[in-house]
Amino acid sequence: DVKVTQSSRYLVKRTGEKVFLECVQDMDHENMFWYRQDPGLGLRLIYFSYDVKMKEKGDIPEGYSVSREKKERFSLILESASTNQTSMYLCASLGAYTEAFFGQGTRLTVV
Amino acid sequence: GDSVTQMEGPVTLSEEAFLTINCTYTATGYPSLFWYVQYPGEGLQLLLKATKADDKGSNKGFEATYRKETTSFHLEKGSVQVSDSAVYFCALTLNFGNEKLTFGTGTRLTIIP
Repeated sequence: DVKVTQSSRYLVKRTGEKVFLECVQDMDHENMFWYRQDPGLGLRLIYFSYDVKMKEKGDIPEGYSVSREKKERFSLILESASTNQTSMYLCASLGAYTEAFFGQGTRLTVV
Repeated sequence: GDSVTQMEGPVTLSEEAFLTINCTYTATGYPSLFWYVQYPGEGLQLLLKATKADDKGSNKGFEATYRKETTSFHLEKGSVQVSDSAVYFCALTLNFGNEKLTFGTGTRLTIIP
């Protein structure tokens, strides 16, 4: 059973904290993605990576960074969390000529 | 650039009604097309897909046909159930390997008994 696993379902962090969201896939996929999902705005792409140590900015990268040191793991980093980063975060992986697989999501609340 | 335009929601239907959710796309090349579904509190999961023109994807009573001439991939179901209540996303990829997955904005569907 293929899997994309996000490290937390729910997180509560304080403003100004550095926050790490972890995502691991077991399908040997090259491409991995981080999205945030907000009511009325759909899925917005934050960053994606098509290979180890490679990263590309998505549509809303400001306030975020990413790390991909190993093929199976893609981390999203909020350098200094702010209340407007309260959201649902979704990780996905995609291989060549396949569909994307998603993690269960992390609901982050910044207080 | 590549884009997906999806029918605005929310959509509310009675049980056993016919469902159509419209999706059109703009893409360079020949994309693969997908419908994903998100049930409350969960991540997205693949509902169906089509990889070339005139292909029909189907799953759980849902169908969508890849129409190259109208650049469309409309989702249909003949008789919806309360359990179909979810958010539905249309999406495309371009099959080049290193690429983005482009989504529509999602359509929230609510089925009432």
